[in-house]
Amino acid sequence: SAVISQKPSRDICQRGTSLTIQCQVDSQVTMMFWYRQQPGQSLTLIATANQGSEATYESGFVIDKFPISRPNLTFSTLTVSNMSPEDSSIYLCSVEDRVGVTGTDTQYFGPGTRLTVL
Amino acid sequence: KQEVTQIPAALSVPEGENLVLNCSFTDSAIYNLQWFRQDPGKGLTSLLLIQSSQREQTSGRLNASLDKSSGRSTLYIAASQPGDSATYLCAVRAAGGNKLVFGAGTILRVKS
Repeated sequence: SAVISQKPSRDICQRGTSLTIQCQVDSQVTMMFWYRQQPGQSLTLIATANQGSEATYESGFVIDKFPISRPNLTFSTLTVSNMSPEDSSIYLCSVEDRVGVTGTDTQYFGPGTRLTVL
Repeated sequence: KQEVTQIPAALSVPEGENLVLNCSFTDSAIYNLQWFRQDPGKGLTSLLLIQSSQREQTSGRLNASLDKSSGRSTLYIAASQPGDSATYLCAVRAAGGNKLVFGAGTILRVKS
């Protein structure tokens, strides 16, 4: 399995500011994803972080609000821009770990970043 | 559009009981189904993954089954322990895609 770390683990931010969240994996992975978990709700995919190209965003999420970088196969960042209280959520990075020929395609998740916007 | 439902939303049981968590999905064209555990304020821990061609997977006291045609999966936990207390999430991945669609989760409390 892959070991994933995220920074920061939590933050409290003011309305109108931006926060960049980092995701580091201990091995090279083909796929990296960013999810959001709003209070009391389940996870929703924001985007797939593509190495060397623009991220692929899900419906309802746009690059101007959630710019994503993925400079290599072990690292990605998600920025939450021009924040409002509605952006208060846990943001989770996940990776797909293809194992062997059968390709179990298990997705592993980081510990999350708990963001509170005042 | 794939929708995933988990029943019950919450469950409280005494230690030692066997229990079943249910997950249903609307589109049977899935690639795999994954069960996760989430502890309060933490990330997700992968418990079991079932490929669409499989019927069940087992890991220790956990057994997950999949009936793709009826759009259902169950997670069976044997001899529950207080340490099993957590939110259990079911997620399906569509055939030909990478996106996981999650259910709302079942909050499990095992009382000692």
